[in-house]
Amino acid sequence: GQNIDQPTEMTATEGAIVQINCTYQTSGFNGLFWYQQHAGEAPTFLSYNVLDGLEEKGRFSSFLSRSKGYSYLLLKELQMKDSASYLCAVRSDYKLSFGAGTTVTVRA
Amino acid sequence: DGGITQSPKYLFRKEGQNVTLSCEQNLNHDAMYWYRQDPGQGLRLIYYSQIVNDFQKGDIAEGYSVSREKKESFPLTVTSAQKNPTAFYLCASSMERGGRETQYFGPGTRLLVL
Repeated sequence: GQNIDQPTEMTATEGAIVQINCTYQTSGFNGLFWYQQHAGEAPTFLSYNVLDGLEEKGRFSSFLSRSKGYSYLLLKELQMKDSASYLCAVRSDYKLSFGAGTTVTVRA
Repeated sequence: DGGITQSPKYLFRKEGQNVTLSCEQNLNHDAMYWYRQDPGQGLRLIYYSQIVNDFQKGDIAEGYSVSREKKESFPLTVTSAQKNPTAFYLCASSMERGGRETQYFGPGTRLLVL
C-alpha cells in the first residue's frame, strides 16, 4: 500500500519562508510531485523530482531524498496569493498517490 | 487553446440515479485519470486509462464506471451503487516524455446529492 504524510496546516508571514515536509512509504517509486490547489479549484503542477537533490524554480524549490522517503517544498518570499493547499504525490506503477495536503495560510 | 475541460461544473443527482461526468482533452495525451476529492482528504484514484479502449480500476472504483472509446474523451458514470457520491471530481491527463510524466488537471465537477 501507499502511505504519504504531510502536515495538515502551516501559517507564515508575508515575505517569510515556509518548508512543507512530505514523507512517503510506497511500493515502487517513479517520481514525486508537488501541486498547489486553491480552494474550490483544480490542482496546478509545481514541481517534479525523480532524482535526489534540490530543484529550484523561481520562489519555489523542491527537494528529494529517495533513501529516506522524504521530500520538502520550500516557498520563499511568501505572498498572500500563496495561501493554498499544497499536495505531495508519489508516482508508482503509472499511478499517483496523494497525501491529504498541507493548507498554508499567509498572514500580512 | 490546449487543455482539459470538464462539464458540468456543478451536478445534482437524485437518489437512485446514474449521472455521467464529461472529461475532454485536446493535449494529445495518452493517459487519463479520474480522482475524487473529499474535504480534508487527498485525491483518491477512481479509474485510469493508459490507452484508448483500455482502462483499469483505481483504489475506489466501486459504484463507478468509465469508457475510453476516443483518445480525447474519458467520461465517468456515477451509478446508483455509489452510496456516498457527494465530492469534487477531478479528471487529469498525462503523457510521458524522456522519463518525465506530469499529470495536468481539469477544472473539476462538484457533484451533490439531492
